[in-house]
Amino acid sequence: GAVVSQHPSWVICKSGTSVKIECRSLDFQATTMFWYRQFPKQSLMLMATSNEGSKATYEQGVEKDKFLINHASLTLSTLTVTSAHPEDSSFYICSASGGENYGYTFGSGTRLTVV
Amino acid sequence: AQSVTQPDIHITVSEGASLELRCNYSYGATPYLFWYVQSPGQGLQLLLKYFSGDTLVQGIKGFEAEFKRSQSSFNLRKPSVHWSDAAEYFCAVGAPNFGNEKLTFGTGTRLTIIP
Repeated sequence: GAVVSQHPSWVICKSGTSVKIECRSLDFQATTMFWYRQFPKQSLMLMATSNEGSKATYEQGVEKDKFLINHASLTLSTLTVTSAHPEDSSFYICSASGGENYGYTFGSGTRLTVV
Repeated sequence: AQSVTQPDIHITVSEGASLELRCNYSYGATPYLFWYVQSPGQGLQLLLKYFSGDTLVQGIKGFEAEFKRSQSSFNLRKPSVHWSDAAEYFCAVGAPNFGNEKLTFGTGTRLTIIP
């Protein structure tokens, strides 16, 4: 079945620094990847949709300059949280779709803590 | 716009007892419906999904769900819960458009199992 890998699993960074999170499709080519965010004890909210080779589509209210998404290959999408602040601390999780694999399989998520 | 309602924030059941988690959705056509489980600090695991066909869907770990169009519901059931079922459960709805599989999640139901 479709396997989506996410790295790192957790990261702690200082305010003002940038953090990159990777989402990889391991056994299929992902033409589309989805990035979600989950605040503690809350549900998941879609942040953006990225299509390989084109600009990401951001959901309303998501700052595209703060959350940079790159989907340069069919197996890798990255989310960079720029100039991170404590309010960016959250659980970030991705899913991927392509070929015969619908985008309903998620990576294991990344817990970001900004101190 | 699509939406998902999980009326129960927290449910407590005894080990060995039956379980039903409620999910109601709002969507303009026949949606794709999902149940995911999330253990603390972990990613999302897909329990089962409904795309079309038989309205009673069997999933992993002994779970099943029934799609009832007339009630706009997709309730999750398990005849006998195990202590390892304690987790957060999310119902989600998605559009049946390949390449546009962004999901809308409910707020989740936290399941506690008592011995």
